Amino acid sequence: EAGVAQSPRYKIIEKRQSVAFWCNPISGHATLYWYQQILGQGPKLLIQFQNNGVVDDSQLPKDRFSAERLKGVDSTLKIQPAKLEDSAVYLCASSLQGTATNSPLHFGNGTRLTVT
Amino acid sequence: GDSVTQMEGPVTLSEEAFLTINCTYTATGYPSLFWYVQYPGEGLQLLLKATKADDKGSNKGFEATYRKETTSFHLEKGSVQVSDSAVYFCALTEDSGAGSYQLTFGKGTKLSVIP
Repeated sequence: EAGVAQSPRYKIIEKRQSVAFWCNPISGHATLYWYQQILGQGPKLLIQFQNNGVVDDSQLPKDRFSAERLKGVDSTLKIQPAKLEDSAVYLCASSLQGTATNSPLHFGNGTRLTVT
Repeated sequence: GDSVTQMEGPVTLSEEAFLTINCTYTATGYPSLFWYVQYPGEGLQLLLKATKADDKGSNKGFEATYRKETTSFHLEKGSVQVSDSAVYFCALTEDSGAGSYQLTFGKGTKLSVIP
């Protein structure tokens, strides 16, 4: 099966600019996640979708980050305006169901964002 | 809140050496525990998991046992290969109470195996 697709692979922007990342999950996976991985740290959940509804966005900085999953398939994550501390790898993952115990997460290769 | 602590890396071993990567956790309930691996240039992938106390997860020669009394889930392999060089992440998940089973990850441990 095709894996989780993410684009772009790399992105360099200046602070205060905006940026968008795209994710196409594995076909049939109802749950989609966006994680932020800062260098030297483990991934941190930003937002979780179940189909096209938000399940958990408690750690999403809503003043500058937004995400949507129209039609319950593809998803985009946007940052506007970007700050230096947003430099990180943004990982998208998907799973059949919402419980990681019974439904393993499949991760994409990520988008590496550098904010200068 | 929940947290995961892994041993600091990087770890460098010779081929066929014994591997242990320590992982301890803090959780309010009864979490499920995982090890994820990230090979160079690839995405994170599940290596093994354990869902209750005393369970042993195993895959590709790696093992980890869920120890509730010590809140630990140490990763072990008897004989590492060069192809095991990767970053290893310990993680846990439990119901947040809002239907979200988010994974909480440790910082990762980079393993390099030399011939």
